[in-house]
Formats: sequence, structure tokens, C-alpha cells
Amino acid sequence: DVKVTQSSRYLVKRTGEKVFLECVQDMDHENMFWYRQDPGLGLRLIYFSYDVKMKEKGDIPEGYSVSREKKERFSLILESASTNQTSMYLCASSFSQGLNSPLHFGNGTRLTVT
Amino acid sequence: GNSVTQMEGPVTLSEEAFLTINCTYTATGYPSLFWYVQYPGEGLQLLLKATKADDKGSNKGFEATYRKETTSFHLEKGSVQVSDSAVYFCALSRIQGAQKLVFGQGTRLTINP
Repeated sequence: DVKVTQSSRYLVKRTGEKVFLECVQDMDHENMFWYRQDPGLGLRLIYFSYDVKMKEKGDIPEGYSVSREKKERFSLILESASTNQTSMYLCASSFSQGLNSPLHFGNGTRLTVT
Repeated sequence: GNSVTQMEGPVTLSEEAFLTINCTYTATGYPSLFWYVQYPGEGLQLLLKATKADDKGSNKGFEATYRKETTSFHLEKGSVQVSDSAVYFCALSRIQGAQKLVFGQGTRLTINP
């Protein structure tokens, strides 16, 4: 089974801190994604990556950056955390861009910024 | 633009009841449609999908039919179980990038014994 592991289940950070959310997948998937999940808004795409060192903005990239130095690891960075970034963050990966390749999600990191 | 609208939750049913969760979409072209499920404390997982009009996706007793004329992809199950309690997300793929899914807001389903 594909495993997508997010390093932290819960995080509490202060406003202005630099925050790193880590995600690792173990199935040599090409594509990796970061979403945030908020009540009433569903999932919104922050950034995604189709290859090592490659990244593209999603729908809500402001205030975030990403890093993909190795194929299995995709990091989400909050340069200066703000309270409106309190949310559930979900990482996902997939084998290819084809429609028969489903997204595999991690269990999420619930981030609280105080 | 592309968007997905799901029925408001939460939805509470008794075991063995019939389930419908409505999903309608707005999209250019011919997107593919998906239902993902999120069980408590877990990430999302793909439940079923349909890639063209009139296709029916099915899995674990759930079904959804891609209706182009009504731009809908309603999720149905004939007899729900307590273990079906979860949050259900309808999603579509954008034409420019098959993997860049647009999700609905999610519908929380609770099944009582």
C-alpha cells in the first residue's frame, strides 16, 4: 500500500514564526500536492510538484512556499505564520498525471497559529 | 471557472437507510468526476470516479452517475452502515491538468445504529 506520511499530527506555532510541514511518500510517485482543508470550503490547492525541484502554484499560494529536493519528500513552508493560516494541511501524491492515477493522502497536520 | 457544490451537511441517518448526497458542478469542457471519503482521523481516499458522460462509478455499495445534462454526480447507497460515517467530498478534474482537482466543501455523514 502507498503510504504518505506527514511528520506532525498537531502543531502549535506563534505568529511570525517560520513553519515547516514535511511530507514523505514511499511509492516513488512523481506528483505531490499540498492542500489546506477548512470547514465549509473543502480542500484548496496550495502548491504542487510534478518532479524534483519543480513546483507550481495552486489556487492559494500566498504566504506559502514549497521545496522538493528529493522525489519522496515535499515540504510546505510558512515564511511568517499568521493566524489565518490556522488550518488542517493535507499532503497527497500520485503516480502520474493520468486520470487513472488517484491521489493518495496523508492523515493531515492540524496547525494552530496563536 | 470550475467549481463543485455539494449539499449542506451534516447528514444524519439510521442504519439501513437510503443515502443520497447531491453534487453539482460547473466546468468548461468535459471534466472527470470523483467522490473521495475521509474517515475520522484519516486522510482522504478515492471512493469512485467517472470519466465521461453517463458513466457510473461504483465501490463498496456506493454509486454515482455522471449526468452531463444536469451537471450532476450524486452519490447514492441503498443501505448505509455505521461504518459509512465519514466526510464525503465531490471533486472534478480541471482540463489543463488532470491531477489538479477542484473539491466541493464536503458533507459530513453520521449513521446511527
